[in-house]
Amino acid sequence: KQEVTQIPAALSVPEGENLVLNCSFTDSAIYNLQWFRQDPGKGLTSLLLIQSSQREQTSGRLNASLDKSSGRSTLYIAASQPGDSATYLCAVGANAGKSTFGDGTTLTVKP
Amino acid sequence: EAGVVQSPRYKIIEKKQPVAFWCNPISGHNTLYWYRQNLGQGPELLIRYENEEAVDDSQLPKDRFSAERLKGVDSTLKIQPAELGDSAVYLCASSLVPGAGGYTFGSGTRLTVV
Repeated sequence: KQEVTQIPAALSVPEGENLVLNCSFTDSAIYNLQWFRQDPGKGLTSLLLIQSSQREQTSGRLNASLDKSSGRSTLYIAASQPGDSATYLCAVGANAGKSTFGDGTTLTVKP
Repeated sequence: EAGVVQSPRYKIIEKKQPVAFWCNPISGHNTLYWYRQNLGQGPELLIRYENEEAVDDSQLPKDRFSAERLKGVDSTLKIQPAELGDSAVYLCASSLVPGAGGYTFGSGTRLTVV
């Protein structure tokens, strides 16, 4: 059974700092990995999707990497802003259509 | 393009009462998912549909939960009777191809059972 862990559960940084969020998984036979953002009381917004054959994906100030052999993915946020404050979740797709979510990292960016 | 639409946004019911949630996926998305998210946790899959067929309902508590996706478009998730432990956010998501394109989520329905 795939297990997905996100550490730390919460993170607080000052505005402008670069930061890395971590996602680890136990079964390296994955189909894809997706990072989401969730604002309080809202649904999940997709940030980046990495297919199993890819090593990284970039969108604006966000960069996600994938290392299947070590069972890890990282989400790098450059020059953080207060508007980046949210909970970030990763979802690991073990096969087509079946994904396991981590419990998320709650990020607070202080002005 | 309209996103995944869910209703209602909030629902408060007394235990033992029935409740239903509705989801309309993105047009053309054949795969539809219902997830449950407890406070402080990630979403957990309840059921996945490919068109009108439920292909994975192993995590659906079938004694009280039911779901349908008539005509392979919108879907309804029902709980009868509701229990206190059912309080959670119920999320609907859809994808064009199972897993390949990733998910698009709706805003969810926050259920409170009192």
